[in-house]
Amino acid sequence: DVKVTQSSRYLVKRTGEKVFLECVQDMDHENMFWYRQDPGLGLRLIYFSYDVKMKEKGDIPEGYSVSREKKERFSLILESASTNQTSMYLCASKQGGQPQHFGDGTRLSIL
Amino acid sequence: RKEVEQDPGPFNVPEGATVAFNCTYSNSASQSFFWYRQDCRKEPKLLMSVYSSGNEDGRFTAQLNRASQYISLLIRDSKLSDSATYLCVVNWGSSASKIIFGSGTRLSIRP
Repeated sequence: DVKVTQSSRYLVKRTGEKVFLECVQDMDHENMFWYRQDPGLGLRLIYFSYDVKMKEKGDIPEGYSVSREKKERFSLILESASTNQTSMYLCASKQGGQPQHFGDGTRLSIL
Repeated sequence: RKEVEQDPGPFNVPEGATVAFNCTYSNSASQSFFWYRQDCRKEPKLLMSVYSSGNEDGRFTAQLNRASQYISLLIRDSKLSDSATYLCVVNWGSSASKIIFGSGTRLSIRP
């Protein structure tokens, strides 16, 4: 079974802090994704990566950056956290035409 | 028109009933299709892939109609544990960015 592990289930940070969300997958998948999910808005793609050191913007990249130094790890960075970034963050990975597998999610609150 | 549209919820049906959802997609070049289930405050989990010839997994049947550009999910003999939000996912091709999630259909099974 594919295992996608997100570093924290719950996280509380303050406005202006730099926040790191980590995601690790154990199936050597090429593609990794970061989404946020908010009530009424569904899943929205922030960034994705199709290879080490490769990244592409999704639909809502503003205020975020990502890092993929190793194939198994994809990090999401909130450069200067703001209250409107309070959300559920979901990491996913996939290979080729296969379906995505999601991590447990991180509920991030920015105070 | 949205790229992927799902039946508006919520569906509230009695235990044991049969319920079906549809999901329409706008891009005729779509190549792969999936149904996910998402429980409250949890991550989406793959329920089943959808194949051209239709496929069944226990009480769940998924079908694809390329001519009319929709996929469907049928749940027979519904259980209380089937209560969840069901997301359809359409993959438009090899690019990792061309994965479109529906907004989800909420299903509630009552005793």
